[in-house]
Amino acid sequence: QKEVEQNSGPLSVPEGAIASLNCTYSDRGSQSFFWYRQYSGKSPELIMSIYSNGDKEDGRFTAQLNKASQYVSLLIRDSQPSDSATYLCAVRTGNQFYFGTGTSLTVIP
Amino acid sequence: GAVVSQHPSWVICKSGTSVKIECRSLDFQATTMFWYRQFPKQSLMLMATSNEGSKATYEQGVEKDKFLINHASLTLSTLTVTSAHPEDSSFYICSARGGGLNTDTQYFGPGTRLTVL
Repeated sequence: QKEVEQNSGPLSVPEGAIASLNCTYSDRGSQSFFWYRQYSGKSPELIMSIYSNGDKEDGRFTAQLNKASQYVSLLIRDSQPSDSATYLCAVRTGNQFYFGTGTSLTVIP
Repeated sequence: GAVVSQHPSWVICKSGTSVKIECRSLDFQATTMFWYRQFPKQSLMLMATSNEGSKATYEQGVEKDKFLINHASLTLSTLTVTSAHPEDSSFYICSARGGGLNTDTQYFGPGTRLTVL
């Protein structure tokens, strides 16, 4: 079982819709959770981090963490074509970081 | 804050030569730096983790004699690809841990695209 699992997609949503990206992790002891965005040919950039159960909002982005279900998600409201990218979920367990393989999102104008 | 730079951003070299890539944390001290490799349309692959003043820890399958990592200071790590071959052509990305409000966050450099002819 992989440490972090994401649906590879591709996920397509129309412009203005809500995009929902999901991630599960295997280690209940994981402490920190991150979402990165990676445009084609570029390196990942941090969107959000979340550490406790519940929702965390930053602009159009909302991260949701459910430690009991070992599940973390990212919602993108009012999706824009510029949001088209691969979204990476990352989890820190102790001193180890684990990345998912990423979900490819396409926002259709 | 939490800016990581890499140099060069792209490099083309002949087979058999060595290439050095620098990774710097510009506005924070990085307790740990990570080196990744990414082939087109594939996911990040962690190559090694380095802590300042210590030997790097390499992931399984990564040749430590081919990919030399030096982490000389809290703001600089280098990756040297020795005797590069065409199969080493890839996108090399470093990240640094530390800085900002959350010292456990990884911040990525912009990457170095290596092409070996």
